[in-house]
Amino acid sequence: GDSVTQMEGPVTLSEEAFLTINCTYTATGYPSLFWYVQYPGEGLQLLLKATKADDKGSNKGFEATYRKETTSFHLEKGSVQVSDSAVYFCALSGNQGGKLIFGQGTELSVKP
Amino acid sequence: DARVTQTPRHKVTEMGQEVTMRCQPILGHNTVFWYRQTMMQGLELLAYFRNRAPLDDSGMPKDRFSAEMPDATLATLKIQPSEPRDSAVYFCASGLGGAVETQYFGPGTRLLVL
Repeated sequence: GDSVTQMEGPVTLSEEAFLTINCTYTATGYPSLFWYVQYPGEGLQLLLKATKADDKGSNKGFEATYRKETTSFHLEKGSVQVSDSAVYFCALSGNQGGKLIFGQGTELSVKP
Repeated sequence: DARVTQTPRHKVTEMGQEVTMRCQPILGHNTVFWYRQTMMQGLELLAYFRNRAPLDDSGMPKDRFSAEMPDATLATLKIQPSEPRDSAVYFCASGLGGAVETQYFGPGTRLLVL
């Protein structure tokens, strides 16, 4: 079945460091890909998405490119801030009636 | 600013008691999802509805859990009887449906079963 694998956390970075969180997927057909973010004590929020190969999703300085050849959707940000500390979830939506398949989440901690 | 609302936000109960969690999806959204989040299992989909009809509840323990949508503005998740292993954060999410599903999550109900 469809699945999503993320790099394990926690990831600890200093402010202004470069961020990469790896995400790879297994799916039949042509899924849409998402990154959600969960701040402490809150529900998940959509961060960005891409619906077809080579699309780049971007929001709040974060970017991810849908790479079909490597089945990846890695999240990047050039300069992280303390306020980016959260758990990041990669997810896919395949041919399952809108159901999302989530990765296990990666905790990011940014230190001043 | 339209949001998914969930009640209660926190619930502490004793093993064997019934627990009812409620969710109000964003007005106009026709798809509702219930998730459970724990440290050990991460985020698990329990059930979801479209136009109030259950589409998939395969992630839900059938013997004690039930999910319903009495109307388009209310979704409920019940646990009867509750057990300590049900302690988790339960999230509701809603969406507009369609091929590319963006889900909007509520703040969650944090459940502790003693």
